[in-house]
Amino acid sequence: EPEVTQTPSHQVTQMGQEVILRCVPISNHLYFYWYRQILGQKVEFLVSFYNNEISEKSEIFDDQFSVERPDGSNFTLKIRSTKLEDSAMYFCASSRDSQNIQYFGAGTRLSVL
Amino acid sequence: TQLLEQSPQFLSIQEGENLTVYCNSSSVFSSLQWYRQEPGEGPVLLVTVVTGGEVKKLKRLTFQFGDARKDSSLHITAAQPGDTGLYLCAGTGAGSYQLTFGKGTKLSVIP
Repeated sequence: EPEVTQTPSHQVTQMGQEVILRCVPISNHLYFYWYRQILGQKVEFLVSFYNNEISEKSEIFDDQFSVERPDGSNFTLKIRSTKLEDSAMYFCASSRDSQNIQYFGAGTRLSVL
Repeated sequence: TQLLEQSPQFLSIQEGENLTVYCNSSSVFSSLQWYRQEPGEGPVLLVTVVTGGEVKKLKRLTFQFGDARKDSSLHITAAQPGDTGLYLCAGTGAGSYQLTFGKGTKLSVIP
């Protein structure tokens, strides 16, 4: 069964460093998303991406964040200058169409020291 | 801001018992999805409901979407230890693709 894959599974970085989290969505899906989950809290929406542009973003998704689909298969989330409070699980999701049934990857655990 | 409240937050039951968990909001949702999440992993989709009053069954799990599309329930019949996990509901509002998640119900089924 097709699945969303995310790499790395765990990323450790120093405060102020840039990180890029990578995702390979399900191949025939057109809508892509990033969510995050701080330990012990609920899953929160960051951004959605369709037709090579951001379609929605939350207040969390400030100027430190950016997304890109550099080729036909990858979808990346970049955090320009990480803060301690960026430590969280980051989940990528994709959906095929406007029915919006979203499938999630296993996540990347980001630890900012 | 749309909010989803899930109850109970924690539930511990004996194997073979039935249970119902709830997902409530004051907002109308276009669709509602139920996920199950294991520690350190991503949410795994169980079901999507889109029509008010809709009922879907997945083996021993029964999902219902409220008539007004503001609430949903998940009923498990004859719970088994393999049902242990975190159950999340998540909804989308009209004209939006973002999922709003509840905090989840952590279910423990004791053998």
